[in-house]
Amino acid sequence: NAGVIQTPRHKVTGKGQEATLWCEPISGHSAVFWYRQTIVQGLEFLTYFRNQAPIDDSGMPKERFSAQMPNQSHSTLKIQSTQPQDSAVYLCASSLTGNSGNTLYFGEGSRLIVV
Amino acid sequence: DAKTTQPDSMESTEGETVHLPCSHATISGNEYIYWYRQVPLQGPEYVTHGLQQNTTNSMAFLAIASDRKSSTLILPHVSLRDAAVYHCILREQGTGSKLSFGKGAKLTVSP
Repeated sequence: NAGVIQTPRHKVTGKGQEATLWCEPISGHSAVFWYRQTIVQGLEFLTYFRNQAPIDDSGMPKERFSAQMPNQSHSTLKIQSTQPQDSAVYLCASSLTGNSGNTLYFGEGSRLIVV
Repeated sequence: DAKTTQPDSMESTEGETVHLPCSHATISGNEYIYWYRQVPLQGPEYVTHGLQQNTTNSMAFLAIASDRKSSTLILPHVSLRDAAVYHCILREQGTGSKLSFGKGAKLTVSP
């Protein structure tokens, strides 16, 4: 079985441009999580969907960041007007349900570099 | 405030059994103890989790203290592939609970 698939694996974008990252959860998983990882801050939770509905976006920056899950097979994280401080590895994870007894399976991440 | 405390790093040699400690003195009754590990350029990998009872799987044995204020991840016969940052995380029961990662403990394995 394929794991969580994230595309692109690497993206370099100029300051002020838009970046869109894609995540394909494991088939049959109804919960999708987005995280961001930097050396300084470590792994930070961004947002979470269950059955395509946004449940918790407490970690999302209030401006420029948005996430959607238009269908059960993919989710997107969009960053508008990218800034150098947005440079990070963005990780997507999925689990069978949102219940805490279910394991989160992570993708390999999308490395975003804003120059 | 961090909810779990781990050593910054630990060293081991191939073939040894490694004990990775984690302190969670303020754990509440509805929190699971999760362990993940991460190597560079990859996402975190699930290792194991437990609530009250010790658990075991093909990767590790998780020993949970009777008062649940600490736990130990036991890795038998480590290999070079077990070198990683190991994260001990508490996760509330219920729906929608996220994993909150700390710095973890870096395990180095020498040949």
